[in-house]
Amino acid sequence: QKEVEQDPGPLSVPEGAIVSLNCTYSNSAFQYFMWYRQYSRKGPELLMYTYSSGNKEDGRFTAQVDKSSKYISLFIRDSQPSDSATYLCAMNPYTGTASKLTFGTGTRLQVTL
Amino acid sequence: DTAVSQTPKYLVTQMGNDKSIKCEQNLGHDTMYWYKQDSKKFLKIMFSYNNKELIINETVPNRFSPKSPDKAHLNLHINSLELGDSAVYFCASSPRGTPDTQYFGPGTRLTVL
Repeated sequence: QKEVEQDPGPLSVPEGAIVSLNCTYSNSAFQYFMWYRQYSRKGPELLMYTYSSGNKEDGRFTAQVDKSSKYISLFIRDSQPSDSATYLCAMNPYTGTASKLTFGTGTRLQVTL
Repeated sequence: DTAVSQTPKYLVTQMGNDKSIKCEQNLGHDTMYWYKQDSKKFLKIMFSYNNKELIINETVPNRFSPKSPDKAHLNLHINSLELGDSAVYFCASSPRGTPDTQYFGPGTRLTVL
């Protein structure tokens, strides 16, 4: 079983829809949780990061972490065609020295007109 | 004004050859990383350097050797290339004290024939 599980999709939604992307994980030592967006043939771009459980909002994006369920989510409101990309979750126990991210396999999102 | 840059962008070579990929960051970050992204888009850490010191060395064949001449540069040398080395290699960097805000380069697509 992988440490981080993520549905690869593809997920196709119409423009304006609310998108929900999710990851589950097994390592209870993870404390920091990130979402990266990767456009085709580009490097991953950090969208949001959260520490421990709770919500964080940034514009149309909301990240949620539920450590008790080992489940994290990214919500995208009013989705746009420009949101079409692969979304990767990542997490880290952060021991204070090495910053070893463990990534999910990514969910490919397609927002259609 | 590229933050994390990599050269070359594409690399096509024959099995058995030796090749290098270069990475530079102008963000003043202390920590740099090499990741490998396979054909299924799975992103896995290979190495991490903090201020020129190796701090993460995952289970990577010793044909792969990272070198950090200074904290702004992290190069990856690969000896005796194999077909299975074909992938996209990403360099990343992160600042000291901020857990896991890693900034990725554009990637080097390596094809071994």
